[in-house]
Amino acid sequence: AQTVTQSQPEMSVQEAETVTLSCTYDTSESDYYLFWYKQPPSRQMILVIRQEAYKQQNATENRFSVNFQKAAKSFSLKISDSQLGDAAMYFCAYTGTQGGSEKLVFGKGTKLTVNP
Amino acid sequence: NAGVTQTPKFRILKIGQSMTLQCAQDMNHNYMYWYRQDPGMGLKLIYYSVGAGITDKGEVPNGYNVSRSTTEDFPLRLELAAPSQTSVYFCASSATGLNTEAFFGQGTRLTVV
Repeated sequence: AQTVTQSQPEMSVQEAETVTLSCTYDTSESDYYLFWYKQPPSRQMILVIRQEAYKQQNATENRFSVNFQKAAKSFSLKISDSQLGDAAMYFCAYTGTQGGSEKLVFGKGTKLTVNP
Repeated sequence: NAGVTQTPKFRILKIGQSMTLQCAQDMNHNYMYWYRQDPGMGLKLIYYSVGAGITDKGEVPNGYNVSRSTTEDFPLRLELAAPSQTSVYFCASSATGLNTEAFFGQGTRLTVV
């Protein structure tokens, strides 16, 4: 079974600084997709960034980028120029491509605090 | 666009009561999911569906049932509610489940007393 592990329950960063959130996963598949979702206090889950495992290039979305290390099964999220609105829970998620593994599996989350 | 709509937003149940959490999406998505989120924890998959008429168990299916008679609707049934089912429940949908964004409802906060 696929598992997703986020080893940092909480992180903090100063406004305008850079922070990296860690995520590791376990799978026997070679083709899959990885995601970072943001959950602000409003509870609404929002997709931050997506990575396709067959693409070696790391995904980037404005101030958000990932460091995808397929061999190490690592998928970290870097937030540059942190803003107060980035404060939220961040969840790493995985979905496979083979029959029975299409379900979206989440890690336990990292609570990010942004200090002014 | 409505996206994913969950009802109700809040509910208090007594032990042993039953209820159905409603979830509807208007994006013609094949994949739909039910998750529960306990305080300070991540999302645990209860059930999911890859299309109308097809459902499968997730990580924590005990005490719940689902059906998927249409593409749009994916209700979650709680039978004989227990305090352990106190949680926030999220419904989500995605076009294929493989490489596309999942869209979430705003959640239902359920308390069993």
